[in-house]
Parts: sequence; C-alpha cells; structure tokens
Amino acid sequence: SAVISQKPSRDICQRGTSLTIQCQVDSQVTMMFWYRQQPGQSLTLIATANQGSEATYESGFVIDKFPISRPNLTFSTLTVSNMSPEDSSIYLCSVPGERAGSGELFFGEGSRLTVL
Amino acid sequence: AQSVTQLDSHVSVSEGTPVLLRCNYSSSYSPSLFWYVQHPNKGLQLLLKYTSAATLVKGINGFEAEFKKSETSFHLTKPSAHMSDAAEYFCVVSGDYKLSFGAGTTVTVRA
Repeated sequence: SAVISQKPSRDICQRGTSLTIQCQVDSQVTMMFWYRQQPGQSLTLIATANQGSEATYESGFVIDKFPISRPNLTFSTLTVSNMSPEDSSIYLCSVPGERAGSGELFFGEGSRLTVL
Repeated sequence: AQSVTQLDSHVSVSEGTPVLLRCNYSSSYSPSLFWYVQHPNKGLQLLLKYTSAATLVKGINGFEAEFKKSETSFHLTKPSAHMSDAAEYFCVVSGDYKLSFGAGTTVTVRA
C-alpha cells in the first residue's frame, strides 16, 4: 500500500487568496488524482495528474481555478485560486493501488480548507 | 456511464447488533465495486472490493458485501456493530481508475 502525506492538514483562508496543497507519496506512481469533498457531500474528482503532461480536468473544474503541478513521480500540488466560501472543502490526493486495473485507490488524509 | 446510489443517508444501530448499508449501482459493463470508510478527520480506507471473482466479499473489521447482479446491488453488512464502526461509508463503482462515489451513509453506534 502507498503512504500519502498531505500538507496542510487544515487551513483557514481569506476570500480572494490562493492556497497550494502538497501531496507526497512514498513510492513512484504514474497517476495521481485530486478529489474534493464539500461539507456533507461525497467525493468529486477534480483532475488526474500524470507526470510530464498537463492535468486532465473533469467537467466543472478548470485549470485557472485549480492549477496542478506534477514535477516528479512522487509529488503533486493543487492550488485553489481566488478562493471564495464555496471552496471550503476537504481536498484529497489519491493514487492507484498496486494491481493495475483493480480500480482501488489509496487516499491521503485530506486538507480541510475553510474560506472566510 | 456509471453511478451508485446509497439508499440510506444515516443508519443508527446499537452496539452488538447487525449493520446493513444498502447500495445499488448502475454500470454499462461488469463493474468493480468498493466500500470505503472515512472516520472523522481521517482519510478514506478501503473496506473491501468486488472485481468479478466471488460474489460474497469479505473485508476488514468483520465487514462483508454481496454482489447481486440481478438486483444491481452491493450491500454492506456486519453481524455485530462495534463503537469503532461509527464513521461515514461510501459505496463506489470503478471505471478505468475513475471512481464514482455514492453520497455516503453515516453510521452511528449507540452504546
């Protein structure tokens, strides 16, 4: 199993500012995923980040709002730009399980953002 | 397209009694199905998974789930609830690493 560390674990942010969330994995992975979990809601995939290429965003999410970096096979960042209270969520980083095609994912503990 | 529907948003049980969390899925092909658990202020943890092998799947912490194709269901059960089972549970269907999450079921366990 993969061990995933996210920073920050939580933060309180002011409206209009931007925050970058870091995700570090203890092994090399090709694909990394960023999810959002709004208060009382389920998880929604924001984007898939592959090393060496642009991230692929899901419907409703755009690069200008959620720029992603993937500089190497163990690290990724997600920036939440120009934040508003509606961006208050838990943001989770995840990577696929060991067996290709199993569909299993490992998740970090999440970054809980509160926007005032 | 694929999706899951969790039929109960909240389940409350007494410690030592059975737990049943209901999930129905929709998929245009043979699905991979999962149950994940999220304890307060923790990340998600895989409880169990179905990937077209045995229809009765056993997971961690005494949980199991049965895949019923005719009913398009993947209900999660545990014979005897423990206080530590209080958490949020997500039924998930997989398509090429893209997971579609159900809305979640909050489980509370009464002493």
